[in-house]
Amino acid sequence: DAGVIQSPRHEVTEMGQEVTLRCKPISGHDYLFWYRQTMMRGLELLIYFNNNVPIDDSGMPEDRFSAKMPNASFSTLKIQPSEPRDSAVYFCASSPDRFSYNSPLHFGNGTRLTVT
Amino acid sequence: GQQVMQIPQYQHVQEGEDFTTYCNSSTTLSNIQWYKQRPGGHPVFLIQLVKSGEVKKQKRLTFQFGEAKKNSSLHITATQTTDVGTYFCAGRGGSNYKLTFGKGTLLTVNP
Repeated sequence: DAGVIQSPRHEVTEMGQEVTLRCKPISGHDYLFWYRQTMMRGLELLIYFNNNVPIDDSGMPEDRFSAKMPNASFSTLKIQPSEPRDSAVYFCASSPDRFSYNSPLHFGNGTRLTVT
Repeated sequence: GQQVMQIPQYQHVQEGEDFTTYCNSSTTLSNIQWYKQRPGGHPVFLIQLVKSGEVKKQKRLTFQFGEAKKNSSLHITATQTTDVGTYFCAGRGGSNYKLTFGKGTLLTVNP
């Protein structure tokens, strides 16, 4: 299995531009998570999906952030308009069924976003 | 909301010394997971603890889950340079599937 695939690996953009981050979860995993990692705040959960449906988006910072999962193999996280404080590493992770105790998160390699 | 505190934030050791990181939750956890993130990498799952008082070992790593299921620890015996990285605990409470991460302990090892 190729694992969780994220693109792009690096993104540099100017303030005010739209940014779209992409994620392909592991096939068969029912849960998909978007995390943001910064030195100050650590790993923050932004939103998670179960079977393509958003379950909890309470971690999404503000209306500039939106996430979609149109099918079981693809998700996007969009920031519009982007701001310098959005600079961070964004991780996508997937996980199998919740009722399994063996349900670790499998993280992608992350997207390092820099907003200038 | 659920909070997971982790200490210390940083730990520098000489190769061969032991290392311990501690994790405390504001609420009782259904389970706790540990992850390791190498510099420039992504978090990688190490282990999950579920039962009160549970102790698990992976070679030189020993993981414990407290009796009250609100705290956990990771102990590394005789550290090696390959142990360098940030160790995160992550707790899941009750029926909530959200996994709350501690801020991690960055371990550096001097050869």
